[in-house]
Amino acid sequence: DVKVTQSSRYLVKRTGEKVFLECVQDMDHENMFWYRQDPGLGLRLIYFSYDVKMKEKGDIPEGYSVSREKKERFSLILESASTNQTSMYLCASSSPGSEGETQYFGPGTRLLVL
Amino acid sequence: AQSVTQLDSQVPVFEEAPVELRCNYSSSVSVYLFWYVQYPNQGLQLLLKYLSGSTLVKGINGFEAEFNKSQTSFHLRKPSVHISDTAEYFCAVSYSNYQLIWGAGTKLIIKP
Repeated sequence: DVKVTQSSRYLVKRTGEKVFLECVQDMDHENMFWYRQDPGLGLRLIYFSYDVKMKEKGDIPEGYSVSREKKERFSLILESASTNQTSMYLCASSSPGSEGETQYFGPGTRLLVL
Repeated sequence: AQSVTQLDSQVPVFEEAPVELRCNYSSSVSVYLFWYVQYPNQGLQLLLKYLSGSTLVKGINGFEAEFNKSQTSFHLRKPSVHISDTAEYFCAVSYSNYQLIWGAGTKLIIKP
């Protein structure tokens, strides 16, 4: 069965802290994604990666960076957390080709920055 | 730019009544279409998808959707809703490699 896991369900951090959110998938998918979800704004793409060590900016990359050293793991980094980064963060993965870019999601990390 | 429109931010419906959640997309080129469901404090779960073939697609939990190319729509329906269907529903479209374009979501509110 398809599985995407995220390192934390809930996280509380202070302004200025460096924050790491980790995502692991066990489906050998090439593509991985980080979204943030805010009420009324739907899902907004932060970064995605289509291969190890490859990354592309999404719609709202400012204030974030990513790392993909291994195929199964995709990390989102908040270099200096700010209160406006309080949000729900969702990781997803997909494999190009026959599934039409079907994305599989992790359970989400709800981040509160104080 | 391509876009996906979910016309209703909230849809209240009585339990055991039918429901339709609307989704329209901006381009008539070949697309793949998806509906996802998000239960409170959870990630998104694939409900159904249209890749090719029959325009009527059946998904999990009794939901179905119909692809209408001429109207660029992919509306989601269920003939009789249950309290457990309370969730937010997202429509998404794949136009090209890698990415999905997402609608803003529709909250389905079931009234007892």
